[in-house]
Amino acid sequence: NAGVMQNPRHLVRRRGQEARLRCSPVKGHSHVYWYRQLPEEGLKFMVYLQKENIIDESGMPKERFSAEFPKEGPSILRIQQVVRGDSAAYFCASSPTLPFGGGSYEQYFGPGTRLTVT
Amino acid sequence: AQKVTQAQTEISVVEKEDVTLDCVYETRDTTYYLFWYKQPPSGELVFLIRRNSFDEQNEISGRYSWNFQKSTSSFNFTITASQVVDSAVYFCALSEASGANNLFFGTGTRLTVIP
Repeated sequence: NAGVMQNPRHLVRRRGQEARLRCSPVKGHSHVYWYRQLPEEGLKFMVYLQKENIIDESGMPKERFSAEFPKEGPSILRIQQVVRGDSAAYFCASSPTLPFGGGSYEQYFGPGTRLTVT
Repeated sequence: AQKVTQAQTEISVVEKEDVTLDCVYETRDTTYYLFWYKQPPSGELVFLIRRNSFDEQNEISGRYSWNFQKSTSSFNFTITASQVVDSAVYFCALSEASGANNLFFGTGTRLTVIP
């Protein structure tokens, strides 16, 4: 019974390169969330996706960042032209379909991808 | 606007002492959910508990207990007879039923248990 999987666990990029972070949710989960944790800080919500749809991207920087959750395959968080300030841990979480009428399920987190921009 | 405040940045206790981690939240929703997560030195996030706003019963799970008080907007977490393995950063988080189920995290409390 695999949990949320993220790869790579560590990623080093030079300034200006692209970073691609992958997230495979818990089997059967249709909701994926991405969070960013800057050093010594709490996690900040970035984006919420369902299969083939972005539901809420209010926490995503307007430029250089994008996310997708295709019908087949993992969710991808893409950062173009990385800068030093992008160095952080990026966590993916998944949850089951929300109950009808609203509600909340606990989110299961992956181990995170630690991005270092040199 | 929603907000989660963990005023204690760092706490150190000696093994076997009890310790309480404070969490105060703000929300305009009448239906919301509160969570605690543990982040050990290895870095992953471990889910500990979820509580909905209509359930103010305190909960105990082994050495862990949670005290939810709507009157003071607090959801405090107590570890009894702390152990070295409890050393971690603990995050309190909030999600609102009117929102997209995303979590708003506090800044965390780093707990160090000294042997």
